[in-house]
Amino acid sequence: AQSVTQLGSHVSVSEGALVLLRCNYSSSVPPYLFWYVQYPNQGLQLLLKYTTGATLVKGINGFEAEFKKSETSFHLTKPSAHMSDAAEYFCAVKYNFNKFYFGSGTKLNVKP
Amino acid sequence: DAMVIQNPRYQVTQFGKPVTLSCSQTLNHNVMYWYQQKSSQAPKLLFHYYDKDFNNEADTPDNFQSRRPNTSFCFLDIRSPGLGDAAMYLCATSEYRTGGAWHEQYFGPGTRLTVT
Repeated sequence: AQSVTQLGSHVSVSEGALVLLRCNYSSSVPPYLFWYVQYPNQGLQLLLKYTTGATLVKGINGFEAEFKKSETSFHLTKPSAHMSDAAEYFCAVKYNFNKFYFGSGTKLNVKP
Repeated sequence: DAMVIQNPRYQVTQFGKPVTLSCSQTLNHNVMYWYQQKSSQAPKLLFHYYDKDFNNEADTPDNFQSRRPNTSFCFLDIRSPGLGDAAMYLCATSEYRTGGAWHEQYFGPGTRLTVT
């Protein structure tokens, strides 16, 4: 069965520090990959996506992610955290037809 | 702006009293989804429509039903809400084209359901 694993349900960084949120998927077939951000009591907003082509993907708000097929990973990074980045982040994959699978989420806390 | 709209944003219902949540979209996407999200959990897919074709997840309780009267609207009906159904309900859309391009999901702001 397909699955998405996000390591670390909570990540805390200082403002200005590197943000690294981890996502691994299980599949022999490269999926389409996404990162979403969710602020309290709001829906999910797309940060970035990987479909085909360049494996380093840049998204909104200074985030980027790299698809590594050999590691079945799609980790999200941002060089310098901002207080406004505090939110919950979800990794998602799409394997076939119309179904998307979400990881369990990582809550990012940014300390002043 | 094209968007996904959910009404109401907050809904309070009584135990066992039927409730309907609505979703509309101006994106003209052919796929619409309903997710249930409980606190600090991933969104859980309940069902989705591809055009008029309804696709139910195997573990979605019978208590949950859906209607899609046209491309723009989709409804989630909870026939007899229990305390365990209190959650955020998210509607999303995407576009699927056979053998061609497709798009990511676009989410509405969600409806937070409270069951008293």
